[in-house]
Amino acid sequence: AQSVTQLDSHVSVSEGTPVLLRCNYSSSYSPSLFWYVQHPNKGLQLLLKYTSAATLVKGINGFEAEFKKSETSFHLTKPSAHMSDAAEYFCVVSAGGYNKLIFGAGTRLAVHP
Amino acid sequence: DVKVTQSSRYLVKRTGEKVFLECVQDMDHENMFWYRQDPGLGLRLIYFSYDVKMKEKGDIPEGYSVSREKKERFSLILESASTNQTSMYLCASSNGGSKGAEAFFGQGTRLTVV
Repeated sequence: AQSVTQLDSHVSVSEGTPVLLRCNYSSSYSPSLFWYVQHPNKGLQLLLKYTSAATLVKGINGFEAEFKKSETSFHLTKPSAHMSDAAEYFCVVSAGGYNKLIFGAGTRLAVHP
Repeated sequence: DVKVTQSSRYLVKRTGEKVFLECVQDMDHENMFWYRQDPGLGLRLIYFSYDVKMKEKGDIPEGYSVSREKKERFSLILESASTNQTSMYLCASSNGGSKGAEAFFGQGTRLTVV
């Protein structure tokens, strides 16, 4: 069975400082992993995905994530937060024959001036 | 662009009513999903379908059923709506044949059961 744990429900940073959103996963199969973002009253948008190629994955808007199999982690980072990054972020695992997607509970990122 | 369209943005229904939520995708995707989103719980999978007439229960199927008679359309049915089914419902589709296929989401239906 697959599962995802997002270790922080809320993260607050100052504009211009680094962002770290933590995600651990569990999967019986070789997983694919995703980060999605949801801005207030907007739909879900894919930030980046890992599918067993390079372990460091770059996404949109300066975000990146590193797949660490030994730690079963897929943490999302950004060197410098921007006010527009304030949103809810979801870590997602996909595995098995039908590529069923399992979401974490989400991390709400607040960015302060 | 891939488009996933949910038939309603907002719905208000009475307890005990049968409710239909419709979702249509235009990219010939094999997989379609229904999730509900509640604060602090993320998106929880209700049902998914990997082909026409094929479906599997997700994590919270109780009180729901689904129908997929055509590849592009996936319907979620609340057999007898209850107040604890008040939530945001999200439909998604993906290319089932590709490892790591991205899912595309509709804008959501906010359902209120009174």
